[in-house]
Amino acid sequence: AQKITQTQPGMFVQEKEAVTLDCTYDTSDQSYGLFWYKQPSSGEMIFLIYQGSYDEQNATEGRYSLNFQKARKSANLVISASQLGDSAMYFCAMREGLNSGTYKYIFGTGTRLKVLA
Amino acid sequence: NAGVTQTPKFRVLKTGQSMTLLCAQDMNHEYMYWYRQDPGMGLRLIHYSVGEGTTAKGEVPDGYNVSRLKKQNFLLGLESAAPSQTSVYFCASSYLLTGGIFYEQYFGPGTRLTVT
Repeated sequence: AQKITQTQPGMFVQEKEAVTLDCTYDTSDQSYGLFWYKQPSSGEMIFLIYQGSYDEQNATEGRYSLNFQKARKSANLVISASQLGDSAMYFCAMREGLNSGTYKYIFGTGTRLKVLA
Repeated sequence: NAGVTQTPKFRVLKTGQSMTLLCAQDMNHEYMYWYRQDPGMGLRLIHYSVGEGTTAKGEVPDGYNVSRLKKQNFLLGLESAAPSQTSVYFCASSYLLTGGIFYEQYFGPGTRLTVT
């Protein structure tokens, strides 16, 4: 069964430093997509970055990059040059392909990041 | 485009009352989802739909019903509200998976429901 694990309930990082948020996943499907979302205190869900299972290069979007290690089934989010506005809850999610017979996205329990001035 | 909208934004119910949450999207998405978010538990899928007229159960469907009579709308119903259903409810929609490309979900702003 598909599963997403985020083992860090909370993290602190100093402003302007880089931080890595961990995500491991479990799936038997060969084709899947991995996503990261940000949820600030205002509550909305903001899509950050996507990695396909067949993508050979790690995804990057501005200050966000996804460290994809397929053999280890990990999809860590790296935020470079942290800003105070990065303080939020971060969720890792996965969507399996059609071969799995599911159309669902599975979310981890989230990591709350606090950026310190 | 408005994206995904949810009505209402806040609601307080008494135990046993019923209500319907409305989700609407204007992006012509096939897939729509209802989640609940509780502290420390991430987002849990309640029900989802892969197209107009079709619905399926998610991880925590008990106590909820859904309908998707129109492609753009996905309704979540609580027939007899219980305090355990106090939560923040999110609706999301997504494109079809095509050519091996997975699309992100677009989320509504959420509905904060309190059942007393």
